[in-house]
Amino acid sequence: GENVEQHPSTLSVQEGDSAVIKCTYSDSASNYFPWYKQELGKRPQLIIDIRSNVGEKKDQRIAVTLNKTAKHFSLHITETQPEDSAVYFCAARGTYKYIFGTGTRLKVLA
Amino acid sequence: GAVVSQHPSRVICKSGTSVKIECRSLDFQATTMFWYRQFPKKSLMLMATSNEGSKATYEQGVEKDKFLINHASLTLSTLTVTSAHPEDSSFYICSADPGQGAKEQFFGPGTRLTVL
Repeated sequence: GENVEQHPSTLSVQEGDSAVIKCTYSDSASNYFPWYKQELGKRPQLIIDIRSNVGEKKDQRIAVTLNKTAKHFSLHITETQPEDSAVYFCAARGTYKYIFGTGTRLKVLA
Repeated sequence: GAVVSQHPSRVICKSGTSVKIECRSLDFQATTMFWYRQFPKKSLMLMATSNEGSKATYEQGVEKDKFLINHASLTLSTLTVTSAHPEDSSFYICSADPGQGAKEQFFGPGTRLTVL
């Protein structure tokens, strides 16, 4: 079946450094790739997304890259701040449903 | 952005009872709603896809007689956990898809179910 692998599961960075989270998907029909930030006990919040016809997208300190051939996509956060600490999930959408990655717990150390 | 509500936010029940969770899209119509389950420190696991006016599509391993889904209108889907047991304790989150080419799904705030 479809699955999305996400690495690393935990990531600690110093404030101001960059953080990179990587995902790999299996369903070649996937065409939409959102990234979510989730704080404890809260709903996931969409932070950035990318469609399959685009290779890179940036929004201030956050960027996402997509390699369709390799079925990889990555989240890049620059100049990390303590408030970036949360769990981040990638997801891939094919025909209708979303498959989520396993999550990355990001800690930004002040 | 679009708003999705979920009710109740927290529920505690005894083993053997049934619990109904409501998911509403407040300012848009959702032909499709998704139900997810999330264990502590784990990812969102899709349980089923709910389509207005038709039977829900359940993911492999999810018991349809255990988790009853009804999508009676374009703004409301319900998940009923029947004969709940402690292992059903979890965080249940719905999301709604506006359709019409919209790429983004909108999540409800989640319901924390604790079965004693």
